[in-house]
Amino acid sequence: AQSVTQLGSHVSVSEGALVLLRCNYSSSVPPYLFWYVQYPNQGLQLLLKYTSAATLVKGINGFEAEFKKSETSFHLTKPSAHMSDAAEYFCAVSESFQKLVFGTGTRLLVSP
Amino acid sequence: SQTIHQWPATLVQPVGSPLSLECTVEGTSNPNLYWYRQAAGRGLQLLFYSVGIGQISSEVPQNLSASRPQDRQFILSSKKLLLSDSGFYLCAWSVRGGGRNNEQFFGPGTRLTVL
Repeated sequence: AQSVTQLGSHVSVSEGALVLLRCNYSSSVPPYLFWYVQYPNQGLQLLLKYTSAATLVKGINGFEAEFKKSETSFHLTKPSAHMSDAAEYFCAVSESFQKLVFGTGTRLLVSP
Repeated sequence: SQTIHQWPATLVQPVGSPLSLECTVEGTSNPNLYWYRQAAGRGLQLLFYSVGIGQISSEVPQNLSASRPQDRQFILSSKKLLLSDSGFYLCAWSVRGGGRNNEQFFGPGTRLTVL
């Protein structure tokens, strides 16, 4: 079965600093991977997804993620954090044609 | 464009009372539909998914049930709520037959508090 592990339930950065949110996956088949963002009391919004076309995936709001098969990782980065980036971020792996398996989430805190 | 609606947005219910949460999707046909629960600090738990009218798959044995009476309508129900049913309930849809790179699109959620 597929799974994802998100290291760090909370990550704190200063405005303007690099954002790095970690995601490691386990998959018995070539994985399809996703990052979602959730703002307080809202649904999830897709940031980006990896579908094997390119290992570096660019998403919305300046985020990107790099797929590294050797490390079974799909970490999310942004060069410069904004206050508006404060939210919870979820990594997910496709388990089947119908289902996604989500990590437990990482809450990003951005201080001025 | 596609839109997904959930209601109510918030709900406070006493223990032992029934529950009905509704989700509808507009702008697409034959979607896969999903119900998730998000409890504090526990990520997203898939409760049910449906690939067609009347077709429901349950992921976790529990106090809840789901139904899909129409193609773009998905209902989450309970006959008697428990305290542990409190949480943030999210409905989602995806394109049927879209493959494993198929993303899911989420509704705004319903905050349920059972007292």
